[in-house]
Amino acid sequence: DTAVSQTPKYLVTQMGNDKSIKCEQNLGHDTMYWYKQDSKKFLKIMFSYNNKELIINETVPNRFSPKSPDKAHLNLHINSLELGDSAVYFCASSHNLGTEAFFGQGTRLTVV
Amino acid sequence: AQSVTQLDSQVPVFEEAPVELRCNYSSSVSVYLFWYVQYPNQGLQLLLKYLSGSTLVKGINGFEAEFNKSQTSFHLRKPSVHISDTAEYFCAVSGIKAAGNKLTFGGGTRVLVKP
Repeated sequence: DTAVSQTPKYLVTQMGNDKSIKCEQNLGHDTMYWYKQDSKKFLKIMFSYNNKELIINETVPNRFSPKSPDKAHLNLHINSLELGDSAVYFCASSHNLGTEAFFGQGTRLTVV
Repeated sequence: AQSVTQLDSQVPVFEEAPVELRCNYSSSVSVYLFWYVQYPNQGLQLLLKYLSGSTLVKGINGFEAEFNKSQTSFHLRKPSVHISDTAEYFCAVSGIKAAGNKLTFGGGTRVLVKP
């Protein structure tokens, strides 16, 4: 059983489009995250939810909107995609904020 | 707030040689420390973690790390590497009981194991 799964694995889309990435965890964790990994492999947190409540919202354009329908899911919706949004997006979950995080396989987003 | 510095962006090493990856952190509170490995086109996998107790931590795949509070370091070591250890390695820190706590990652160290 996959602990943290995200779909799709690859996403190629044109500038200006709106897209969503879905994430689900079956670990019973209370906290979920979205991280962005750029072309130089640098990992930066974007959002964190704890029990469906937004806890961390880093300096991210408001074109990015996370949604957590329940504790096991944290989806990421992106409006008006730009070339600079091209990156690998990782979903992760942990028992509590700041403890060991379990990562999904990543979604490679390419904006053309 | 916490920050992490991985001092080497790339480390080439021959198969069966030892390797050490350096990690230094800064924090105003006590910390948890982690090392993750990312194989090509994969997600991140936890290698080991320091939460409390013994400062020498053993992880998977023969890796170990030592927490040094006075030097604010958490260097990762393996006595003999394999070709399969070629990957990107990330050090991460989180502040214990810090408001808005989160895992903060270093910039990564690419390990290339040569035959």
